[in-house]
Parts: sequence; structure tokens; C-alpha cells
Amino acid sequence: QSALTQPASVSGSPGQSITISCTGTSSDVGSYNLVSWYQQHPGKAPKLMIYEVSKRPSGVSNRFSGSKSGNTASLTISGLQAEDEADYYCCSYAGSSSVVFGGGTKLTVL
Amino acid sequence: QVQLQESGPGLVKPSQTLSLTCTVSGGSISSGSYYWSWIRQPAGKGLEWIGRIYTSGSTNYNPSLKSRVTISVDTSKNQFSLKLSSVTAADTAVYYCARDLLRYYFDYWGQGTLVTVSS
Repeated sequence: QSALTQPASVSGSPGQSITISCTGTSSDVGSYNLVSWYQQHPGKAPKLMIYEVSKRPSGVSNRFSGSKSGNTASLTISGLQAEDEADYYCCSYAGSSSVVFGGGTKLTVL
Repeated sequence: QVQLQESGPGLVKPSQTLSLTCTVSGGSISSGSYYWSWIRQPAGKGLEWIGRIYTSGSTNYNPSLKSRVTISVDTSKNQFSLKLSSVTAADTAVYYCARDLLRYYFDYWGQGTLVTVSS
């Protein structure tokens, strides 16, 4: 299984919206609605932001949303805030009881 | 509030076995329908899932690490553990333990522990 493909970096200004893509294959992202997204600030543990493609855990801002089309999942952050600056990782079930992560995307808030 | 805490040696020699333990507090490791996972992150790089265990002892491993990984659980101590054998410098990373809600996503994470493989 290969890592899911994410852009290395994205950026946006406060108040804007950005979208981070996560491209897999028909063996992982394309076959299961089991994509999750994590936010990681420097030196901290990842935090669950989205699970099962588009569900938000309690306490996560509704500015964060997820979607999927074919083999590509996406995380959209609306109304960008300075605190959103972090690394973001996607994750998908890859069959045979295994999990694969994306390479990560660094979000810069300009 | 569930909390997870990794512990173990921060330095391991090449070819030896890396051993870490994750202690779960704020709830019983046996309660609910959860798997308990290990995930690692080399410095400046992405996350890599290592494997997971159910409290029954059932395990699943990353195919790329399967031959070297053993995950076990001690419900009496509310702990689960990771052993990674024949380590090399490529195994140097921050190792996280996390709770897995059966649907392959992780809602609670430990703070992470850095393990360096070096002679």
C-alpha cells in the first residue's frame, strides 16, 4: 500500500476558504467511506477533525468540512483563522484491516 | 476523559528490539468497542500506521512492518505494548499510541515519545 497523495503546502488569507486534496486509489479512498482528517500543530499530537469522510467530532468547528469524489477526498476550511495554521493529514482504510495516511499538507495562513 | 501515555526507552541500538508501552487512563481499556493502535512519525515526515489490537488480543499490522511488529495488551494494567524487532536508523521516530473506534479513525492520542535508533 502506498501513501495517499496530498499537496505539500497550501496557503490562504484570514477569512478565505481553502481545500486540501487527498488522492488515493480504488483500493482505499475510492472503495470505502472511511476517510479521516487530522490537524497537527508543531510538537503536538494529531487531532481528529473529520471522520467517515464528512462527519465532525464534537467540539470541532463547523468551518471544517470533508467530502469525497471517486478516489479523491477533500478537506475544506472556511473562514480561515490564524489558529488553523498547521499540518493536515488524511487517512483511509486500505482493505485487509490496514490503514494508510497521506504525506501531509502544511497550511499557511498569510 | 480518556488519556493515553507512551513510555519506554528513548534510545535503542541498531538490530535490537524497540519496546514501548501505552497506559490508558480515564476509562477501562476493555470497555466499549475500541481497537488500540500504534502510529509513528519520523522527524519532518508524515504519519505511518504500525498496527492495532483489540482487547480480545486480535491484531492487525501494517503489511510493510508485519514481520517485525508485535502488539500485545494487558487489560489488568490498562496497557498495551509495541515491540519492533531488528531496528535500524529508519525506525527513528516519534511513536504515538491512539484509540481506534473500529472504523479506522483515531479520536484520542498520546503525546508521543521519541525513539532514536543509534549506537
